[in-house]
Amino acid sequence: NAGVTQTPKFRILKIGQSMTLQCAQDMNHNYMYWYRQDPGMGLKLIYYSVGAGITDKGEVPNGYNVSRSTTEDFPLRLELAAPSQTSVYFCASNQWGGLTKSGANVLTFGAGSRLTVL
Amino acid sequence: AQKVTQAQTEISVVEKEDVTLDCVYETRDTTYYLFWYKQPPSGELVFLIRRNSFDEQNEISGRYSWNFQKSTSSFNFTITASQVVDSAVYFCALSEATGAQKLVFGQGTRLTINP
Repeated sequence: NAGVTQTPKFRILKIGQSMTLQCAQDMNHNYMYWYRQDPGMGLKLIYYSVGAGITDKGEVPNGYNVSRSTTEDFPLRLELAAPSQTSVYFCASNQWGGLTKSGANVLTFGAGSRLTVL
Repeated sequence: AQKVTQAQTEISVVEKEDVTLDCVYETRDTTYYLFWYKQPPSGELVFLIRRNSFDEQNEISGRYSWNFQKSTSSFNFTITASQVVDSAVYFCALSEATGAQKLVFGQGTRLTINP
């Protein structure tokens, strides 16, 4: 059981370049999320998805795009990289379980992707 | 809007001391979830505990304990007899109980346990 897999783990981009961070989960989770963590800060939500074909903006969506064509995959696209996008990116997934005391609603996080824009 | 505040940016203690990490939250929801995550130097996020808003019982797990008080909107985390391996950044987080269940994180507290 691989959980949430993010690729690449590290990447250096030049200003203006584009790239896609890949995220895949094998737990058949409905919900998926992208967060960014700037140095010394907490995580901020970029985009999220509640199912295939459905995406929505989080707190800091500018400069990013997402798609959710399958339940398993939730790629994050940077179109014109800027130094302000230098960060560690975390993908997460969640199997919604409603108001229960079960293990539902605990996000499973990927290992993170460290992106540097120079 | 939901908000989580961890006022302690950094804490440094000597091994075997007890240490409490503070977390204060804001939400208009009547039902919600609270979490603590640990981020060791390796960078991954490790889930520690989840608490439902309708369950105010404190919880103890080994050297870890959590004090949830709805009256003060606080969810504090205590490590008893700290160890060097406890050194990490600790995040408190808040989630809505319905909808997309998005997590809102605090800024984190960097805990250093010195030998």
